[in-house]
Amino acid sequence: DAGVTQSPTHLIKTRGQQVTLRCSPKSGHDTVSWYQQALGQGPQFIFQYYEEEERQRGNFPDRFSGHQFPNYSSELNVNALLLGDSALYLCATRIWGVQETQYFGPGTRLLVL
Amino acid sequence: AQSVTQPDIHITVSEGASLELRCNYSYGATPYLFWYVQSPGQGLQLLLKYFSGDTLVQGIKGFEAEFKRSQSSFNLRKPSVHWSDAAEYFCAVVPNFGNEKLTFGTGTRLTIIP
Repeated sequence: DAGVTQSPTHLIKTRGQQVTLRCSPKSGHDTVSWYQQALGQGPQFIFQYYEEEERQRGNFPDRFSGHQFPNYSSELNVNALLLGDSALYLCATRIWGVQETQYFGPGTRLLVL
Repeated sequence: AQSVTQPDIHITVSEGASLELRCNYSYGATPYLFWYVQSPGQGLQLLLKYFSGDTLVQGIKGFEAEFKRSQSSFNLRKPSVHWSDAAEYFCAVVPNFGNEKLTFGTGTRLTIIP
């Protein structure tokens, strides 16, 4: 049983570019959350998807958007990249309504130059 | 403002010694409480959680945590640390059931010396 997988593992972009990160949930999971973890900080909640809709959002600008597909996988898109977007982006998946089933993926490390 | 505080940025402990990592929260009601561990280059692994009931909770890898409502604390403990426990530890809360957003503290980095 594969756990949560994320791709790519590392990514380098320049300011102003756009990036797409991907997350495949653990088998049986239907809910995907995205977190941003800056160096030396705890993860910060970006948003959550369930039934292909954004259900809750943290304090992130509209440059951050997402999508969930019918197979429950998800994408995180960031437009007009800033240096401050450099971070580890973590995906967490679980069964809707069952907090204790949440698993985190290994993350995608994004560097913006 | 609602917040989670981990007052210790870095802790060094000798292998075999006991460990306590501190976590305080500031919420109107008792939130759901979690401890996660993150090894270098890895994602987050759940150590234990508290939703209600017995205030002393047992987790994986020999860790336990105690919820103290009067002190708004949820400290993580281990009686005897192993070199493999070296990692970053995060306390996190969910304000209430139905709120999906995990709010994390800034983490405590644990170093183990022989």
